[in-house]
Parts: sequence; structure tokens; C-alpha cells
Amino acid sequence: KNEVEQSPQNLTAQEGEFITINCSYSVGISALHWLQQHPGGGIVSLFMLSSGKKKHGRLIATINIQEKHSSLHITASHPRDSAVYICAVRWDYGGSQGNLIFGKGTKLSVKP
Amino acid sequence: KAGVTQTPRYLIKTRGQQVTLSCSPISGHRSVSWYQQTPGQGLQFLFEYFSETQRNKGNFPGRFSGRQFSNSRSEMNVSTLELGDSALYLCASSFGRNTEAFFGQGTRLTVV
Repeated sequence: KNEVEQSPQNLTAQEGEFITINCSYSVGISALHWLQQHPGGGIVSLFMLSSGKKKHGRLIATINIQEKHSSLHITASHPRDSAVYICAVRWDYGGSQGNLIFGKGTKLSVKP
Repeated sequence: KAGVTQTPRYLIKTRGQQVTLSCSPISGHRSVSWYQQTPGQGLQFLFEYFSETQRNKGNFPGRFSGRQFSNSRSEMNVSTLELGDSALYLCASSFGRNTEAFFGQGTRLTVV
């Protein structure tokens, strides 16, 4: 079992739809990152959060530390949102922090 | 502010050769991490450097090595290349460990 699980693996939506991508993890963490990767490889950091909720434009990220779960929401989706969304956690064991562990990614395609 | 710069962007090497990849972090960032991305395994952590010291190393063979210079620029080296080393190699820089990570565009290595 992977330490970071994302769902769904693939998602197709119509322009304007509300989208949710989920991330569950099994390790103690100090922070969780949501990343966006477009074809061609470049990765952009969308959010880094350790508690609660963050919002940036049409993107909202939430995290529930007790349930070890995070969600990324996209409101009013647009074809330019089409990309792979990756959840990554920095594990934390007894105050000792490790490297980032990544989910397999969710491939989002938004149709006009 | 210039972003993270990785060179070269593309490389083709033959089995048995060695390769050196370079990463110039954002000015002021002292933490540099390297990752390998393949279709089968997704993103996997290679190394993390902070102020010229390796803080963490991923589960990769000794053929993979890295270093960081006093100006925070980092290099990674892969010796005795194998076909399975074909991947996108990404580096990310950050001010500290639990701060936002900024990724470079990656170096796409093809081993033939």
C-alpha cells in the first residue's frame, strides 16, 4: 500500500463543473503540498498546508490532520485547468522530518 | 526573481556512460532537492541538500550521487547509466524545509 493515495486517478469534467481531488496518507506529516504538472513536465506548487484550509483564486485546499486526508477543489473549472495534480507529504516522525513522498497523481481533463 | 534553472533540458546518453545534471536554485534558497519521475513509479525522492550538506537520501543505488556548492547550486551525477535511468529529473529549491518548494522545468534523460 502506498503511503500517499490519490483519487481518482483520472477525471474528465465539463467546463464550469466543480472538481474535487482527494489525497489520503498513512504517515505522520509536517506539511502537505498540492502540485500541478502540465504536459512538458514543469511542476508548480499550488498549496502547502499543515492545517485548515487555503484558497487561491478558484482553487481551495483543505486538510484534516486527524483523518489524514486532504482535498483539492477547483470551482468553475476551465480547460486550462487540465493537468496532473499531485499530492505530496513531508513525513514527520518524532519531530524528525524527512523527504517528500508523492501520490501517483490525478490526471484532470476539462472539456469545453 | 529568476526561477529554478535546470540544465540541460534534454539529454541522450548510451548505456554505461555517466551524466551530470545541474540545478541553480532561486536566489536566497539554501535547500535543494532532487526527484526522479518515471511513468511507472511516478515521482521519487533522490536527495536533499541544505547549505552544502546532504540531509536525506532516497532509496537509489550508489550510482546516483549529488553535491551542493557554496552558492547553493547543486549537481547530481549518475554513473554507469542503465536503460531504466531514463526519466525526467526534477530539482526543487526552498528557503527552508517546511517552506514552499519551487520546481525547475526538469532534465529529460534518455538512455539508449
